[in-house]
Amino acid sequence: DVKVTQSSRYLVKRTGEKVFLECVQDMDHENMFWYRQDPGLGLRLIYFSYDVKMKEKGDIPEGYSVSREKKERFSLILESASTNQTSMYLCASSSTGRGFGAFFGQGTRLTVV
Amino acid sequence: AQRVTQPEKLLSVFKGAPVELKCNYSYSGSPELFWYVQYSRQRLQLLLRHISRESIKGFTADLNKGETSFHLKKPFAQEEDSAMYYCALNNAGNMLTFGGGTRLMVKP
Repeated sequence: DVKVTQSSRYLVKRTGEKVFLECVQDMDHENMFWYRQDPGLGLRLIYFSYDVKMKEKGDIPEGYSVSREKKERFSLILESASTNQTSMYLCASSSTGRGFGAFFGQGTRLTVV
Repeated sequence: AQRVTQPEKLLSVFKGAPVELKCNYSYSGSPELFWYVQYSRQRLQLLLRHISRESIKGFTADLNKGETSFHLKKPFAQEEDSAMYYCALNNAGNMLTFGGGTRLMVKP
């Protein structure tokens, strides 16, 4: 069974803090993703990584950065958290082969106060 | 640029009624389409892949390249089908883009 594990289920941070969200997968997947999930807006891609140290901006990268130093770990960084970054954050991983789909973590609900 | 559109935010049907959740996409290449489902308090999980042409939990979806659609269908809805459903497109570079989601409510 593929496991995608996010380090925290719930997180509360103050405005202006630097926030790290961590994600680890155990299936040697090449691709990893960070999405935010908001009611009525669906899943919006923040960043995508297709290999170690490689990344591509998604639809809403502003205010975020990512780090992928090891294949199994993909970190999302909020350099200076703001209240409009309060959301559910989902990490996913997938194989490069066609047709396999992505596997998701349980999500981190981040509240910025 | 690729885009996935799910025109209905909410779909409410009675148990036993047919269900169709709509998904339209725009993509210049050869698309790879998926349906994902999220039940209450559970993580998002893969439901269907267009490439496998399978039926899962009674759901089917056919890729219509002419209409650029990948609608999800089930002939007889069950209460346990109530969930959030997302259509997703994988591009040639393996970037996965989701639609806005449709909440399906199946009433008894």
